[in-house]
Formats: sequence, structure tokens, C-alpha cells
Amino acid sequence: GENVEQHPSTLSVQEGDSAVIKCTYSDSASNYFPWYKQELGKGPQLIIDIRSNVGEKKDQRIAVTLNKTAKHFSLHITETQPEDSAVYFCAAKTSGTYKYIFGTGTRLKVLA
Amino acid sequence: NAGVTQTPKFQVLKTGQSMTLQCAQDMNHEYMSWYRQDPGMGLRLIHYSVGAGITDQGEVPNGYNVSRSTTEDFPLRLLSAAPSQTSVYFCASRYDQGKNTEAFFGQGTRLTVV
Repeated sequence: GENVEQHPSTLSVQEGDSAVIKCTYSDSASNYFPWYKQELGKGPQLIIDIRSNVGEKKDQRIAVTLNKTAKHFSLHITETQPEDSAVYFCAAKTSGTYKYIFGTGTRLKVLA
Repeated sequence: NAGVTQTPKFQVLKTGQSMTLQCAQDMNHEYMSWYRQDPGMGLRLIHYSVGAGITDQGEVPNGYNVSRSTTEDFPLRLLSAAPSQTSVYFCASRYDQGKNTEAFFGQGTRLTVV
């Protein structure tokens, strides 16, 4: 069945440094890849997404890249701040289906 | 605009008890779903619905029932709680069956089964 692998499971960076989280998906028909941020005690919230017809998308300090050939997509956070500390989830969805397949999550800690 | 509202936020059950987790959304979304979140396992889909009167199973449906009598509400029922159902449960909703749109999550229900 469909599967999304996410790495690393935990990531610690110094404030101001960059953070990269990587995901690999198994279904080559996947065409939508959202990233969610979950703060402590809250539900996940969408922070950025990318569709399969685009290779890169940026929104201020965050960016997502997609390599369809390798079935990889990555989240990049630059100039990290303490408020970026959270759990991040990637997901993949296949056209014509209803379900998102989520990765296992990455706990990001930004050290002041 | 309240978004997705889940109740209760916390619940402790004894093994064998039944209960219903409530989920309501006020965004007129067609698609609603329930996930459970366990350490190291991410978000796993329990059940989902593509509209009122239509439900289907996700990847971990055993021990749970759902119904969708209205567009707004999507309750999750635990028939006979087991310790393995200790988890954090999230309800989510979004527009458009099959299209690529943002999913909105509730705040979660932390369930402990003793």
C-alpha cells in the first residue's frame, strides 16, 4: 500500500541555522504534498504545500522542494526561531483519492 | 468561525466502556476524517466520510464506528474500549472530494483507557 517515510524523527538546530526535513513516498501517482506543523497541545496546521507540476515553492522562511523522479520532497526552514519548535508532518495524496498518507513526524527543537 | 470543534478534550475510560467523541465543523466541508496519533507512528486514518450518509474505513478501523447524518457532524464511537485505544484523536475536514485542498484539524481528544 501507499507509504510515506519521514526523516529525521528528531532534529535540533541552533537559532538562526537552517533545518531540513525529508520525506519519501511510494505511490508514483501522488500529486499533492502538504506539510503540517503541530504545536504542543494543538492540532496540525498547514504551513505549505506543493503540487506535482511544481518543483519548488517558497513562503518567507519556509520552502518545499519536490523531486518526482526520486519520489522525494523536503521542507526547508531558514533562519530558524524558537517558535519554529514543533512537530512537523509531511503527507502525500493521490489524484482521485480522498486520503492523505502522513509521515511519522519530525520533532524540531530550535535552541536559543 | 469556529472551524473544527472536538469534544471532549480529555477522557479516561475503563476497559469495556463505550463512548462517543464528537466532531463538528462549520465550514460546509464535504470531507471529514478521524485520525489517531501515537508516538512514532504519525497520524493514522481510522474512518472517513465524503458526505452526509457516506462513510468508509481507513487503515485502522477496528473497534471504532462512525456515522455522518449531517454535513456538520462526524462522531466517532468506541464500542468497547481497550487499552490499545489509548491515543490522541484528531478530527479533520476539508473541501472537495479528491481535490487537493487544505485539511483543517480540531484540537484533539486525549483518551486514556485503563
